[in-house]
Amino acid sequence: ELKVEQNPLFLSMQEGKNYTIYCNYSTTSDRLYWYRQDPGKSLESLFVLLSNGAVKQEGRLMASLDTKARLSTLHITAAVHDLSATYFCAVDRANYGNNRLAFGKGNQVVVIP
Amino acid sequence: NAGVTQTPKFQVLKTGQSMTLQCAQDMNHEYMSWYRQDPGMGLRLIHYSVGAGITDQGEVPNGYNVSRSTTEDFPLRLLSAAPSQTSVYFCASSYDGNSPLHFGNGTRLTVT
Repeated sequence: ELKVEQNPLFLSMQEGKNYTIYCNYSTTSDRLYWYRQDPGKSLESLFVLLSNGAVKQEGRLMASLDTKARLSTLHITAAVHDLSATYFCAVDRANYGNNRLAFGKGNQVVVIP
Repeated sequence: NAGVTQTPKFQVLKTGQSMTLQCAQDMNHEYMSWYRQDPGMGLRLIHYSVGAGITDQGEVPNGYNVSRSTTEDFPLRLLSAAPSQTSVYFCASSYDGNSPLHFGNGTRLTVT
């Protein structure tokens, strides 16, 4: 059974500082997705990582994938309040694509002044 | 372009009642799926479809039925509501197996 673990589950960030959140998964997979959810809202796609060593960047967020370590990281540079949200990673369960994604429990991020 | 539209946004049911959650997408996506989100649990896949006429079970299918008669619509039916089905339900679609999911705004269901 594929398990996806995110840590820390809750992180309080100071504005202007850098942080990293982690997503570990238990079985082989070549595809990993990051989503963002604001409180009471839907999920929106941030990144799709499709191969070992993949790195994607958008604004202050950078995601990377190490399939050998079964680890993805989401790095936040110079945190700002607008980045307060819950971040979910999702792993392709068995190369079935989107229809067999396993989600982690999310990293809840609060950025404080 | 509406994307993925879910109705209703909120629903309260009594135990034993049945209902259908509606989901429609206008992006001509082949893949559609239903998830439920419970506090501290992330999202869990209920059912999914890879195209019209094709559906399959996800992680937590018991108590739910789906059908996919058209590419656009993917309704989720609760057969006999139970308090354990109190949750937020999200419908999602994608163009293909590698593309990111597009999520609807969710339906918050309470079963008393």
